[in-house]
Amino acid sequence: DAGVIQSPRHEVTEMGQEVTLRCKPISGHDYLFWYRQTMMRGLELLIYFNNNVPIDDSGMPEDRFSAKMPNASFSTLKIQPSEPRDSAVYFCASSRDYQPQHFGDGTRLSIL
Amino acid sequence: QQPVQSPQAVILREGEDAVINCSSSKALYSVHWYRQKHGEAPVFLMILLKGGEQKGHEKISASFNEKKQQSSLYLTASQLSYSGTYFCGTERGGNTPLVFGKGTRLSVIA
Repeated sequence: DAGVIQSPRHEVTEMGQEVTLRCKPISGHDYLFWYRQTMMRGLELLIYFNNNVPIDDSGMPEDRFSAKMPNASFSTLKIQPSEPRDSAVYFCASSRDYQPQHFGDGTRLSIL
Repeated sequence: QQPVQSPQAVILREGEDAVINCSSSKALYSVHWYRQKHGEAPVFLMILLKGGEQKGHEKISASFNEKKQQSSLYLTASQLSYSGTYFCGTERGGNTPLVFGKGTRLSVIA
């Protein structure tokens, strides 16, 4: 079975540019999670969806961050405008009936 | 609230044992353990539900003391493949999001 698929794997862009990260969850999973991982703060939950509906976005750091899940097989995390402090590894994870979570390979984002 | 993991890092020789602890100041419903190798995604190891249940996964096992809001991960006869960062994720109630600790970096050397 295919796992969680994220794209791109690496993204380098200049400050102020719009960044879009993409995620395809495992088929049949009803929960989708977006995390940000940094050395200082560890693995932080940004937002999660249940059946395509956002449940909790309290971890989204600022209005510059937004996430959508238009259907069960696709989600995006967008940063506009991007800033150097947004540099991190962003993971998407999915699960059935909430646990356990299966993580994608992540997107390593560098904002110059 | 983020659980506290200890130690932050540990170095073992092959065959040695290690214990990684995860503590919370809040009552917990469950504790989840994941391992992340460098440059890779976290991989699920096991879930511990309240009730003091102990689970095992090959030579890796864990316990959950709900009264102390603490879980411990036991690695016995460590192998080189055990190297990585171990995260605990705590859940305070059914269908609530996990909160992950900052991780424990485990290095196993020959």
